[in-house]
Amino acid sequence: AQTVTQSQPEMSVQEAETVTLSCTYDTSENNYYLFWYKQPPSRQMILVIRQEAYKQQNATENRFSVNFQKAAKSFSLKISDSQLGDTAMYFCAFMRVHAGNNRKLIWGLGTSLAVNP
Amino acid sequence: DAGVTQSPTHLIKTRGQQVTLRCSPKSGHDTVSWYQQALGQGPQFIFQYYEEEERQRGNFPDRFSGHQFPNYSSELNVNALLLGDSALYLCASSLRLGQYGYTFGSGTRLTVV
Repeated sequence: AQTVTQSQPEMSVQEAETVTLSCTYDTSENNYYLFWYKQPPSRQMILVIRQEAYKQQNATENRFSVNFQKAAKSFSLKISDSQLGDTAMYFCAFMRVHAGNNRKLIWGLGTSLAVNP
Repeated sequence: DAGVTQSPTHLIKTRGQQVTLRCSPKSGHDTVSWYQQALGQGPQFIFQYYEEEERQRGNFPDRFSGHQFPNYSSELNVNALLLGDSALYLCASSLRLGQYGYTFGSGTRLTVV
């Protein structure tokens, strides 16, 4: 069974600085998708970035980028130029590709990020 | 383009009662998944609906049931409510494979007293 581990329950960063959130996962699959979601106090889960495991290139979305290390089963999220609006819970999630009907997301426990002014 | 819409936003029920939560998927999406998120936890998968059928199910008892309608909207029903059912219930929609990620609603906060 797949598992996702986020080892940092809480983190804080000063506005405009850079912060990295860690995520590791366990799977025997070769092809899969990885996601980072953000959940602000409004509760809505917002997709931040996605990575396809068969792609070597790390995904980037504006100030958000990932460091995907497939062999190490590591998928960290880097937030550059942190903004107050980045304050939220961040969840790492895994999804199988060749899974027939089994396309559920498997989630970590989350990291609470506080951006301080 | 409307995103995922969930109703109601908050709900208080008594133990033993039944509840129905509703979800309208994002325009163009055909698959709806439901998740339960307890306070301070990551979401737990309940089930997924596609073509009006339950396609996969998580580790939840039969008290949890659902339905998908021809317009792709969905309902989550929970019978015989327990205190432990208190949680945020998230609905997520996607295209069939979900490889581009899921779009989530803002959830329904259910409190069982």
